[in-house]
Amino acid sequence: EVQLVESGGGLVKPGGSLRLSCTASGFTFSTYSMNWVRQAPGKGLEWVSSISSTGTYIYYADSLRGRFTISRDNAKNSVYLQMNSLRADDTAVYYCARIALTDHFDNWGQGTLVTVSS
Amino acid sequence: DIQMTQSPSTLSASVGDRVTITCRASQTISTSLAWYQQKSGKAPKLLIYKASTLESGVPSRFSGSGSGTEFTLTISSLQPDDFATYYCQHYNTYSWTFGQGTKVEIQ
Repeated sequence: EVQLVESGGGLVKPGGSLRLSCTASGFTFSTYSMNWVRQAPGKGLEWVSSISSTGTYIYYADSLRGRFTISRDNAKNSVYLQMNSLRADDTAVYYCARIALTDHFDNWGQGTLVTVSS
Repeated sequence: DIQMTQSPSTLSASVGDRVTITCRASQTISTSLAWYQQKSGKAPKLLIYKASTLESGVPSRFSGSGSGTEFTLTISSLQPDDFATYYCQHYNTYSWTFGQGTKVEIQ
């Protein structure tokens, strides 16, 4: 069974940093692209960033490029999202999702809440 | 950038109703479209990909159609478990765009 478990969320002050982790199990992690999606309270889904299976190709939503950095460690079956210069509008549940071979998201984690507030 | 627009934003329906949700793309996207269901407080769940391919384990009352710029998600007979928010999503190799969502409520 595919499992994706996010961690690292919490309360952070504006301008602060946070690193999210997503640990995968139940599939060969090193053969799948992965990504992060977020959802602000009461709002819709917003794609954040994706990383290819080997980490060679990395993409970001235009609005986030420069503040967020995605990475992965295939030896640890984990993908990460380093978030810097956080703002109040970054407050959201952050989901980790697996990208299927045809590019849709076929498995999602349960999400981790990031709250940016003073 | 390609924009995805869903309609309606909210839909009130009763158990047993046939329900249709529309998703329009600002440019042609072939069949690079998926549909997700999200229940309150839960992660989204994949229903359909490549516009019309049903994900394994998803009930057959769900179906998808369309290509180019106009797509539909149909629930043939709404069940109590189907009250949720539904999102369409366009995908290509380097960006993914969601529609704003359609909330299906109990009438």
